[in-house]
Amino acid sequence: GDSVTQMEGPVTLSEEAFLTINCTYTATGYPSLFWYVQYPGEGLQLLLKATKADDKGSNKGFEATYRKETTSFHLEKGSVQVSDSAVYFCALSEWSSYKLIFGSGTRLLVRP
Amino acid sequence: EAGVAQSPRYKIIEKRQSVAFWCNPISGHATLYWYQQILGQGPKLLIQFQNNGVVDDSQLPKDRFSAERLKGVDSTLKIQPAKLEDSAVYLCASSPPPNEKLFFGSGTQLSVL
Repeated sequence: GDSVTQMEGPVTLSEEAFLTINCTYTATGYPSLFWYVQYPGEGLQLLLKATKADDKGSNKGFEATYRKETTSFHLEKGSVQVSDSAVYFCALSEWSSYKLIFGSGTRLLVRP
Repeated sequence: EAGVAQSPRYKIIEKRQSVAFWCNPISGHATLYWYQQILGQGPKLLIQFQNNGVVDDSQLPKDRFSAERLKGVDSTLKIQPAKLEDSAVYLCASSPPPNEKLFFGSGTQLSVL
């Protein structure tokens, strides 16, 4: 079945460092891809999405590009802030059912 | 805009006891989801409703879990009897058509002792 694999955490960075969190997927059909974020004590929130190959999703300085040839959707940010500390989940939506399948999450800790 | 409301926020029970969680989705959202998030894992879909009908319950352990969505608005998820491995955060989410953006509640953290 469809699945999502993302890099294990925690990822610890200093403020203003460059961030990459890797995500790869396995899917039949043409899924949509998402990054959700969970800040401490809060619910999951949609960070960005891409619905077809070569689309780039972006929000709050974060970017991810839908790469069909490598089945990847890596999350990047050029300069992280302490406030970006959270758990990031990569997910796909099955094209036929819109069922969301999540990866296991990557915890990011940004130090001042 | 009010978000997805869930209660209780925390629940501690002993194994073999029963427990129920409640969810009130965002007004007008036809689709409602219950996810189970075990510590260190991503959320796993338990059941998906479209209005008051079940769309997907393939991963719901039906021998102990049940869910309903009366009148197509709020929903309850019940576990009876609970097992130790049911300890997790239970997340409710809702979405407007075309179901591509989910809005999550803060979840109910269940501890089964």
